[in-house]
Amino acid sequence: QQQVKQSPQSLIVQKGGIPIINCAYENTAFDYFPWYQQFPGKGPALLIAIRPDVSEKKEGRFTISFNKSAKQFSLHIMDSQPGDSATYFCAASKLTGGGNKLTFGTGTQLKVEL
Amino acid sequence: NAGVTQTPKFQVLKTGQSMTLQCAQDMNHNSMYWYRQDPGMGLRLIYYSASEGTTDKGEVPNGYNVSRLNKREFSLRLESAAPSQTSVYFCASSVTGGNQPQHFGDGTRLSIL
Repeated sequence: QQQVKQSPQSLIVQKGGIPIINCAYENTAFDYFPWYQQFPGKGPALLIAIRPDVSEKKEGRFTISFNKSAKQFSLHIMDSQPGDSATYFCAASKLTGGGNKLTFGTGTQLKVEL
Repeated sequence: NAGVTQTPKFQVLKTGQSMTLQCAQDMNHNSMYWYRQDPGMGLRLIYYSASEGTTDKGEVPNGYNVSRLNKREFSLRLESAAPSQTSVYFCASSVTGGNQPQHFGDGTRLSIL
């Protein structure tokens, strides 16, 4: 059972374009929604994260839009660059007294062409 | 800063062999995690340790055991490797409490023949 569904599986955009990656979740107890970026041969690294009490968060060229009623959130990359070519994972978790158990989406391979 | 260090980086095993994957972090984090990454399936949590002395199952724990050796080290053991365990394994660590970012190592690529 995939609790976090991510689309598209892959995406190709031209330099300067705005790729959009979408995720949908099922568990309404989730209260933390991070995005991770992964380059080949490396582990994922946190890119940006949002809590459900806000509808949008921007950090540099990266923006998360969050729609609590639809249980959906998305990542927008403004003015995309070839260096943004990577795999992007959305994730979700709920606050617990111990560790932060993340549920990941299946990933989106982004390629930004010159 | 080393961050999260995983050893080995690559390993090939035969079916039925055992192996321990090592993970160490130098960020003084209380929580540590083991994930596996398979094509088209994202990362799935195998086991985690919220703090030294505690471990708990994640989404896909069958066929694995873990040991939280101390605050720095969290190992993952395959007692009798199976081809279905061919994967890339990632260790991560984080501050405990709240929704803290997880810091990942660069992974162990494990093939089981």
